[in-house]
Amino acid sequence: RKEVEQDPGPFNVPEGATVAFNCTYSNSASQSFFWYRQDCRKEPKLLMSVYSSGNEDGRFTAQLNRASQYISLLIRDSKLSDSATYLCVYYGGSQGNLIFGKGTKLSVKP
Amino acid sequence: GAVVSQHPSWVICKSGTSVKIECRSLDFQATTMFWYRQFPKQSLMLMATSNEGSKATYEQGVEKDKFLINHASLTLSTLTVTSAHPEDSSFYICSASRLASLQKETQYFGPGTRLLVL
Repeated sequence: RKEVEQDPGPFNVPEGATVAFNCTYSNSASQSFFWYRQDCRKEPKLLMSVYSSGNEDGRFTAQLNRASQYISLLIRDSKLSDSATYLCVYYGGSQGNLIFGKGTKLSVKP
Repeated sequence: GAVVSQHPSWVICKSGTSVKIECRSLDFQATTMFWYRQFPKQSLMLMATSNEGSKATYEQGVEKDKFLINHASLTLSTLTVTSAHPEDSSFYICSASRLASLQKETQYFGPGTRLLVL
């Protein structure tokens, strides 16, 4: 089983749509989870951390289900500027490093 | 906020040459720096972890004699790709962390270096 699995997409949605991304992870011991955003040919940037209780930041909502080892990201009222690749990430490496998924590509169209 | 720079941002070189990439933490001291590599449409893969003043720890499958890492100060780590070949062409990204306990600490990423070996 891959360490982090994500649907690669692409997800093509119109502006204003609600879109959800899912991710499963293999390391049940991991304590910290994140969603990162990566624009084409750029470094990844932290979008938000993910907590068991779920957390919301504006139009973005993240959820963690430890029992199912599953993380989700919901984007409401999507904007053109949301077009990017969304990476599911967690601390899981032996060196305290981040483990990255391949990402899910989102394209928001006018 | 914490800023990490990388230099150069892109490099084109001939096969067989060596390329040095610098990663600097500009406004904080980085106890640990990580070097990642990303091939097109692939995830970021950790190459090595570098702690200031000690030898880097390499991930399985990464040749330590080919990818030389030096972390001589708390603000600078370098990655040297020795005798580069076309298959080394990739996007190299460093990240830096301030604390020894990494679970709760955000890693700050550099902007990446795009390497093309002809």
